[in-house]
Amino acid sequence: ILNVEQSPQSLHVQEGDSTNFTCSFPSSNFYALHWYRWETAKSPEALFVMTLNGDEKKKGRISATLNTKEGYSYLYIKGSQPEDSATYLCAPGATAGNKLTFGGGTRVLVKP
Amino acid sequence: GAVVSQHPSRVICKSGTSVKIECRSLDFQATTMFWYRQFPKQSLMLMATSNEGSKATYEQGVEKDKFLINHASLTLSTLTVTSAHPEDSSFYICSAREGTSYGRGYTFGSGTRLTVV
Repeated sequence: ILNVEQSPQSLHVQEGDSTNFTCSFPSSNFYALHWYRWETAKSPEALFVMTLNGDEKKKGRISATLNTKEGYSYLYIKGSQPEDSATYLCAPGATAGNKLTFGGGTRVLVKP
Repeated sequence: GAVVSQHPSRVICKSGTSVKIECRSLDFQATTMFWYRQFPKQSLMLMATSNEGSKATYEQGVEKDKFLINHASLTLSTLTVTSAHPEDSSFYICSAREGTSYGRGYTFGSGTRLTVV
């Protein structure tokens, strides 16, 4: 079982401010890292799948970086909006197309 | 985009009865689906990997006779909680991957809140 840690567990952000949070995972046997956004009463939504060390991906105001050698990924939200309020989950996978191990998530609340 | 439909969204059952949860890929074929469980304030825990046409692979500590998984077609996987007890009350959610498009991530259902009374 992989040890996946996300910090902080929760985050309050003022609307318009930028923020970031971390996902730490074992660097050995790494294949890919997934990020998901999970809004209340909805299904988790895939944000990014990252595989290469140094990879950086962007989707609108949200971006993520990956360091596979030291085993961490950052997710950034630029100019936070209330609709960004959600729990953000990371999940490394050790093999292609197979099971993921989820971190506990970072719950983001953006205050108007 | 890919959609996974999960039913029911909520179910209350009596202790000792069985409950079936369905996970259906609506617009794509899913040879593999995953079943997760989430206890309050905890992360999603993988219970089992469901493979179309073959036996499911269960994670360590998950009782396969209690959590029966059937993946009889490329679009449907079911999880049956047999002889449910209050400790089985939890949030169950499935996910599936669309074909070989690994780069898209997995598509999740909306989850099922099971309460056993």
